[in-house]
Amino acid sequence: NAGVTQTPKFQVLKTGQSMTLQCAQDMNHEYMSWYRQDPGMGLRLIHYSVGAGITDQGEVPNGYNVSRSTTEDFPLRLLSAAPSQTSVYFCASSYSRTEAFFGQGTRLTVV
Amino acid sequence: EDQVTQSPEALRLQEGESSSLNCSYTVSGLRGLFWYRQDPGKGPEFLFTLYSAGEEKEKERLKATLTKKESFLHITAPKPEDSATYLCAVLGGSQGNLIFGKGTKLSVKP
Repeated sequence: NAGVTQTPKFQVLKTGQSMTLQCAQDMNHEYMSWYRQDPGMGLRLIHYSVGAGITDQGEVPNGYNVSRSTTEDFPLRLLSAAPSQTSVYFCASSYSRTEAFFGQGTRLTVV
Repeated sequence: EDQVTQSPEALRLQEGESSSLNCSYTVSGLRGLFWYRQDPGKGPEFLFTLYSAGEEKEKERLKATLTKKESFLHITAPKPEDSATYLCAVLGGSQGNLIFGKGTKLSVKP
């Protein structure tokens, strides 16, 4: 099993560009989520999904969009990148919001 | 407000020097407390889940305990490979999502 796979691992964007961070899991988990991790801030929830077709906002959703068309995939879209979105992004999945399995992260720099 | 506070922010130990990390929390309707380990450049890795006060879990040199207001991660005779950031999270609150603390960065010197 691959677990949770995130792509890309690194990305540099220019201000105003858009991009999609990919996340896929092979554990048949219903619950998936996106976090960002900044120095001194800890992990903060951006968006989450409790199943295909159902998404909701977390603590810091502004500037991000998500959709969940399948159980396996949960992409995160940056609509118009800003320097404040420079961060490390983690995708996680779990059976029922319990023990979460995290991907290896995407390190994003917006210049 | 739901909140998780971890202390200390950083801890330096000599190999074999036992110590404890603290995680205090305020959350409505606690449904579980979780400990994770995070190595540099990697995603968090699940260690333990605790559900009720008085519960304890052990794994190798690590033991996690839970009271009604806080959890401790005890590290017995640590080794350099235990060096990592340890994250605490609680499940609860109005949305029922994981709320993470900022972590404790542990360094174990040989």
